[in-house]
Amino acid sequence: AQSVTQPDIHITVSEGASLELRCNYSYGATPYLFWYVQSPGQGLQLLLKYFSGDTLVQGIKGFEAEFKRSQSSFNLRKPSVHWSDAAEYFCAVGANYGQNFVFGPGTRLSVLP
Amino acid sequence: GAVVSQHPSWVICKSGTSVKIECRSLDFQATTMFWYRQFPKQSLMLMATSNEGSKATYEQGVEKDKFLINHASLTLSTLTVTSAHPEDSSFYICSARGDTTGELFFGEGSRLTVL
Repeated sequence: AQSVTQPDIHITVSEGASLELRCNYSYGATPYLFWYVQSPGQGLQLLLKYFSGDTLVQGIKGFEAEFKRSQSSFNLRKPSVHWSDAAEYFCAVGANYGQNFVFGPGTRLSVLP
Repeated sequence: GAVVSQHPSWVICKSGTSVKIECRSLDFQATTMFWYRQFPKQSLMLMATSNEGSKATYEQGVEKDKFLINHASLTLSTLTVTSAHPEDSSFYICSARGDTTGELFFGEGSRLTVL
């Protein structure tokens, strides 16, 4: 069965600093990988996704993620964090959209002014 | 972009009553919708997969009679929490998979508080 781990429960960075959120997965086949962001009391917004092709994926709001098959990782990065990026971030893996979709536990990002 | 709307956003009810939460895909058709439950500071847990015109598929450990799901049209799925109790208090989120693109869109979530 597939699983997703996000080793960091909570990360705090200063505004303007770079950010990397870690995601590791376990999946029997080629995975579909996703990063979602959730603001407090809100639903989820898709930041980016990887299905195939270029392993460096660009998303919305200046985020990018790199798929590394050898490390079973799909880490999310942003070169300069904005205060509005403070939220909960979820990595997810699935066979397709919605099918056998598994979310990681989430990483809460705090941004210092 | 595609929008999924949940209603109500917040609901407070007395123990023993039933609460219905709606999930609508506003500008696309969705044969398949999903219902999740999220406890505070935790991840989303899939409760059930809702298919238009057929019975929902529930995940292990989810009580079918407790959480009634109806997917009567291609744009609407409902979750009814029957005989709600305080332990049912949670954040419930739905998602809808677009029939054309297969892409998944999430609702804003519904926070249920049972007194």
